[in-house]
Amino acid sequence: DTAVSQTPKYLVTQMGNDKSIKCEQNLGHDTMYWYKQDSKKFLKIMFSYNNKELIINETVPNRFSPKSPDKAHLNLHINSLELGDSAVYFCASSHSPGLAPDTDTQYFGPGTRLTVL
Amino acid sequence: AQTVTQSQPEMSVQEAETVTLSCTYDTSESDYYLFWYKQPPSRQMILVIRQEAYKQQNATENRFSVNFQKAAKSFSLKISDSQLGDAAMYFCAYRANRDDKIIFGKGTRLHILP
Repeated sequence: DTAVSQTPKYLVTQMGNDKSIKCEQNLGHDTMYWYKQDSKKFLKIMFSYNNKELIINETVPNRFSPKSPDKAHLNLHINSLELGDSAVYFCASSHSPGLAPDTDTQYFGPGTRLTVL
Repeated sequence: AQTVTQSQPEMSVQEAETVTLSCTYDTSESDYYLFWYKQPPSRQMILVIRQEAYKQQNATENRFSVNFQKAAKSFSLKISDSQLGDAAMYFCAYRANRDDKIIFGKGTRLHILP
């Protein structure tokens, strides 16, 4: 069974388009995250949601909007795509602190490679 | 600000040999966690090992072990009996207990030579 899944795995699109990446976890976690990995492999957090509430919002253009319809899903919508948005986007999830022995550990999805032409 | 530094962009090791990947971090927190994640060519991020800062004993997972030096803020990963499947990018990561976000180092690409 897939623990954290993302769709699509690959996304190629033109500049200026709007696109979404979906993330689902079946681990019963209540905190979910989006990370961006650039071409130099550097991983940086973008957003964190706990029980459908935004907890972390790093310095990310407001063209990026996360949406969490429920605890098991955290989708990433990107408006007016730019060349610099090309990257691999990872979804991750974890328990809230103190609720389980491994609350510190985040489990990652397979990543979505976004290419903007 | 918390930072994680991996000073070795690339390393190579002969199959069956032992290799150590370095990581240092900077924080003013006393309660935190440290991780090593592996990213093979499939790009899946896989947790290799984790360490609670309050534990003095170094974590071990089969062929993987860490050398955690809290005072020196050092957290190196030792891979024993290296296997071809160990070839990957390895990321050192830090998370403060009071925070949700993980801060990653820039990674070390490990090559295994047959």
